[in-house]
Amino acid sequence: GAVVSQHPSWVICKSGTSVKIECRSLDFQATTMFWYRQFPKQSLMLMATSNEGSKATYEQGVEKDKFLINHASLTLSTLTVTSAHPEDSSFYICSATYRGLSTDTQYFGPGTRLTVL
Amino acid sequence: ILNVEQSPQSLHVQEGDSTNFTCSFPSSNFYALHWYRWETAKSPEALFVMTLNGDEKKKGRISATLNTKEGYSYLYIKGSQPEDSATYLCAGGSEKLVFGKGTKLTVNP
Repeated sequence: GAVVSQHPSWVICKSGTSVKIECRSLDFQATTMFWYRQFPKQSLMLMATSNEGSKATYEQGVEKDKFLINHASLTLSTLTVTSAHPEDSSFYICSATYRGLSTDTQYFGPGTRLTVL
Repeated sequence: ILNVEQSPQSLHVQEGDSTNFTCSFPSSNFYALHWYRWETAKSPEALFVMTLNGDEKKKGRISATLNTKEGYSYLYIKGSQPEDSATYLCAGGSEKLVFGKGTKLTVNP
């Protein structure tokens, strides 16, 4: 149980194009989804918190107009990198919260490797 | 600002060895400490969520302890196997998690 999928697993795009990444909770309803980014040799850094039916909350330094998040249902959140540039090349990974008995556990997707040429 | 540190950065052990690594975090305003195992090309897998000082949790050959007063958690692997090779992440926080950089474990057969 508690499986999260992410699509695509990798994508290469030209500079200036937009890329959409999907995050789905397959067997549970996620009250909250999170989007992280990881640069080489760095830790996972939280970009934004996404609650179903409401606007995402972005962390300091993350441009909300650049990284559009839509959380249309309790099982799907999407991250769109708009007008991507080479500096946006990174590993993007989502997680979903399953409200357990005590402390919420975040269940992660497998991530998306974005390369912008 | 929560800062989570993990050590060592990487570790090579022989099959059958037992090993441990550390996660340190600020002891003030502690909420919860999470451990994940992340194998290459897979999703990070939740191992433990620890909240109470003195907590000790076990899952097969893997166990973890928590000291919230001094701000550290240890992850132990007993009798390491090649399939234990992965990056082990710890994270602290409440709803929002702050991750360490991870410890990359390689178990040589």
